[in-house]
Amino acid sequence: EAQVTQNPRYLITVTGKKLTVTCSQNMNHEYMSWYRQDPGLGLRQIYYSMNVEVTDKGDVPEGYKVSRKEKRNFPLILESPSPNQTSLYFCASSLPPGGRAAEQFFGPGTRLTVL
Amino acid sequence: SQQGEEDPQALSIQEGENATMNCSYKTSINNLQWYRQNSGRGLVHLILIRSNEREKHSGRLRVTLDTSKKSSSLLITASRAADTASYFCATDANSGGSNYKLTFGKGTLLTVNP
Repeated sequence: EAQVTQNPRYLITVTGKKLTVTCSQNMNHEYMSWYRQDPGLGLRQIYYSMNVEVTDKGDVPEGYKVSRKEKRNFPLILESPSPNQTSLYFCASSLPPGGRAAEQFFGPGTRLTVL
Repeated sequence: SQQGEEDPQALSIQEGENATMNCSYKTSINNLQWYRQNSGRGLVHLILIRSNEREKHSGRLRVTLDTSKKSSSLLITASRAADTASYFCATDANSGGSNYKLTFGKGTLLTVNP
């Protein structure tokens, strides 16, 4: 089954404790991205990756890191989480946008609370 | 800044009525997509319309695109209670070189009352 998986689904942590949210897709998609969703602010892109070893900042990259060492995985790293990073996070993948079919496949979301 | 902005922010209708949501964007695009999100869940792709298309249908969904006005509309006909969800438009545009950025709007919350 074609899918995007994220782990963990729920996480409560404390300020400053490094964490990683994993994202994996089995559709051989080149394009992957991370979004955060907050009430009243909609979906905002954190980072995206056009392919292996190619990443770029989205609209709200501060406080986050990503890596794309393999095509299927795109982990989101919070080196020193702060309470303002409490949010619902989504990973998504697709064929490359820009002229071709670019339907985004979303993961189920990770609800992160930073105390 | 947000590329796509949906209007209205919230819409409440009765079952059987049609629902229309609008999306405006700022820069030239390649494609515009509409997504649906049930509360707290991942977004699900509904329909994609390319910049050279004006109208597209999929079941009870009808999407129009007016590139001269930089706007799109999503029409859901004969709505059902199960259509209750948030609806987002997303646009992709060249962000420099070969990189393309996909930007979502803030969404329209549709409530269909039985």
